[in-house]
Amino acid sequence: SQELEQSPQSLIVQEGKNLTINCTSSKTLYGLYWYKQKYGEGLIFLMMLQKGGEEKSHEKITAKLDEKKQQSSLHITASQPSHAGIYLCGALTGTYKYIFGTGTRLKVLA
Amino acid sequence: DAGVIQSPRHEVTEMGQEVTLRCKPISGHNSLFWYRQTMMRGLELLIYFNNNVPIDDSGMPEDRFSAKMPNASFSTLKIQPSEPRDSAVYFCASSLGLAGDNTQYFGPGTRLTVL
Repeated sequence: SQELEQSPQSLIVQEGKNLTINCTSSKTLYGLYWYKQKYGEGLIFLMMLQKGGEEKSHEKITAKLDEKKQQSSLHITASQPSHAGIYLCGALTGTYKYIFGTGTRLKVLA
Repeated sequence: DAGVIQSPRHEVTEMGQEVTLRCKPISGHNSLFWYRQTMMRGLELLIYFNNNVPIDDSGMPEDRFSAKMPNASFSTLKIQPSEPRDSAVYFCASSLGLAGDNTQYFGPGTRLTVL
């Protein structure tokens, strides 16, 4: 079955540093979503990408979807402790199946 | 808007007992999703509805699990009988529709512990 692989699984960075999280699928995706989850809480929607080559930004977070729509990256510039949490990518497959990556745990050291 | 509402937020029960989780989607959303999240398996889609009709329940682990959506503003996920391996956080999410440009909005989750 189609899966989403996220890397890295965990990340510890110093405050102010940039970081990138990747999400890869073996097949074309029909919608790619990035969510943030704080420990013990629900998922908060960040961004949605649909078109190949699309890029969106919100505050210091930028997400891109590659031309083939099989890989997405989430980039955080000048990280802050408030960015800490679990980042999940989710995607809609061709059969209206929603799948999620295993998540990337981010810790930002002050 | 209040967002997706789930209840209870925490549930502790003993093995063999029936558990009912509740969800109120965002008003106007036509699609509703039930997920389960564990450390081992991550976030798994259990079932989803569109216009109150179950579309895909292939993610429901066993016959012990059942879900209903009697109207556009309410859904339940029931586990009967519950087992310790059902312990997880259960999320409900809703969206305007099933197309790829319809973002899912998640509730805060119900943390279920089966002793």
